[in-house]
Amino acid sequence: AQSVTQLGSHVSVSEGALVLLRCNYSSSVPPYLFWYVQYPNQGLQLLLKYTSAATLVKGINGFEAEFKKSETSFHLTKPSAHMSDAAEYFCAVSGRSNYQLIWGAGTKLIIKP
Amino acid sequence: DGGITQSPKYLFRKEGQNVTLSCEQNLNHDAMYWYRQDPGQGLRLIYYSQIVNDFQKGDIAEGYSVSREKKESFPLTVTSAQKNPTAFYLCASKGGQIGETQYFGPGTRLLVL
Repeated sequence: AQSVTQLGSHVSVSEGALVLLRCNYSSSVPPYLFWYVQYPNQGLQLLLKYTSAATLVKGINGFEAEFKKSETSFHLTKPSAHMSDAAEYFCAVSGRSNYQLIWGAGTKLIIKP
Repeated sequence: DGGITQSPKYLFRKEGQNVTLSCEQNLNHDAMYWYRQDPGQGLRLIYYSQIVNDFQKGDIAEGYSVSREKKESFPLTVTSAQKNPTAFYLCASKGGQIGETQYFGPGTRLLVL
């Protein structure tokens, strides 16, 4: 069965520090991978997605993620955290069906001033 | 502007009452989804629809019902059989190609009186 694991329900970093949010997946077929961001009481917004065109994917707000097949990982990074990055981040992988996504449990990013 | 609208933003349900959450999209997407979000539990799929007049149960369909009479609309009814309906409900839609992004509405928060 396909699954997504996000390491750490909460991650705290200082403003200006590197952001690293971890996502590991299992999939028996070439995956499509997504990172979404959710601000409090709002819907989810796509940050970036991997569709096999390039292993390093750049997204909005300065975020990027690298697909590593050997490690079955798709970690999200940003070189310098900003207070506005405080939100919850979700990783997702396409399932066997084109129509469903398998979701990670989410990681809440806390930015310390 | 293209997008997904959900209404109302907040909804209150009395015990024994059925309530209906609205979801409309003007993105010309074939597929639509309903998710439930509880604190610390990520997103759980309630129902999804790949095409008009067709829908499938997700992981937590009990106590919910849907219809898909129009491509643009996918209303969710929370029935009195759902004993713990308090949650944040998110609607999403997606085009028909493999790897396409799911786009989300702003959500409806359902509270029980």
